[in-house]
Amino acid sequence: EIVLTQSPGTLSLSPGERATLSCRASQSFSSTYLAWYQQKPGQAPRVLIYGASSRATGIPDRFSASGSGTDFTLTISRLEPEDFAVYYCQQFGASPPYAFGQGTKVEIK
Amino acid sequence: QVQLVESGGGVVQPGGSLRLSCAASGFTFSNYDMHWVRQAPGKGLEWVAFIRYDGDNKYYLDSVKGRFTISRDNSNTLYLQMNSLRTEDTAVYYCVRMYHGFDYWGQGTLVTVSS
Repeated sequence: EIVLTQSPGTLSLSPGERATLSCRASQSFSSTYLAWYQQKPGQAPRVLIYGASSRATGIPDRFSASGSGTDFTLTISRLEPEDFAVYYCQQFGASPPYAFGQGTKVEIK
Repeated sequence: QVQLVESGGGVVQPGGSLRLSCAASGFTFSNYDMHWVRQAPGKGLEWVAFIRYDGDNKYYLDSVKGRFTISRDNSNTLYLQMNSLRTEDTAVYYCVRMYHGFDYWGQGTLVTVSS
């Protein structure tokens, strides 16, 4: 079973700053199966990134991601007001359970 | 446009049962793998169950194995039969399509297990 650990738990930043979120897996898996999601209060999550680095449809290019093996990173180059939210990484196809990380909250400083 | 609409949530006593439904539209449902994901109040996301596009493969979170059953009717409906419910099953349950990641989510239906 693959366990994903996200860090930090909370990131306090100002609009315009760069956000770097980490996701570490307990064992290596193909980056094909790594996704990142954004969730705002009262809303369903939406996919930002799949296959470790491919942006989903309609996702602005200030969102980028990278990584392989056990270490993955989501970067928001310049935070917009609408980017303050909770972000989750997930492995969605390597093997069940298709676990999510515990989430990183990006909050306004 | 793709739509997933869950229904069937509600309040149930521990040990009770509920069946969740998810009506899919705007895409060829029978071509896609589907999942249920839940989120307890104030907590993170937890994957619950998977069913392959043709219904032939199913996987479950360990804590729901033997209690929950995922199924589908390829005329556009996904189901989650939940038996022997526990207080820790209290959550919003989302129906989710998988293609490029979990690419479409329903709005969720709240299940509350309480005496």
